[in-house]
Amino acid sequence: NAGVTQTPKFQVLKTGQSMTLQCAQDMNHEYMSWYRQDPGMGLRLIHYSVGAGITDQGEVPNGYNVSRSTTEDFPLRLLSAAPSQTSVYFCASSQGWGNQPQHFGDGTRLSIL
Amino acid sequence: DAKTTQPNSMESNEEEPVHLPCNHSTISGTDYIHWYRQLPSQGPEYVIHGLTSNVNNRMASLAIAEDRKSSTLILHRATLRDAAVYYCILRDVNNNDMRFGAGTRLTVKP
Repeated sequence: NAGVTQTPKFQVLKTGQSMTLQCAQDMNHEYMSWYRQDPGMGLRLIHYSVGAGITDQGEVPNGYNVSRSTTEDFPLRLLSAAPSQTSVYFCASSQGWGNQPQHFGDGTRLSIL
Repeated sequence: DAKTTQPNSMESNEEEPVHLPCNHSTISGTDYIHWYRQLPSQGPEYVIHGLTSNVNNRMASLAIAEDRKSSTLILHRATLRDAAVYYCILRDVNNNDMRFGAGTRLTVKP
């Protein structure tokens, strides 16, 4: 049981480039989320999804797009990378909201030059 | 802003109990209290959660105040592997409003 798998683990981009961070879960969870974590800080919610075809914005959505075509996958797209998007990105999944624990991936460390 | 308040850091000796406090004075009736921990270079790991009653699992215990405005995560015997940042978070049963603060950095001394 792999849980939540994120790829790649590390990435360096140049300003203006685009890329997709991949997230897959094998627990049949309907709820999935993307967070970013800046140095010394807690996680901030970027986008989330409550099921295939349904997505919504979180606290810091600007500069990011998401889609949810299957239950398993929830990719995060950076449209035009900026140095301010240098961060560690975490994907998480759960069976619901308050009464359910979230399962996190190991993160993608992204540097934008 | 995070809806919880935690000390920035705490220290413990190995094999001693650790009590990590959290204040959440604005908690609502639909908020569950969750605890996660994050080891260096890893994603957050779920520890425990509860609503009103105290909770126990294989990792820890959660003691919730009667008025629910504070809670305490209890590690019964700290090990070196418990050194991490511990986050206390309120998670509403109806939405994805789950805000992380800076957490408590726990150092365990041998």
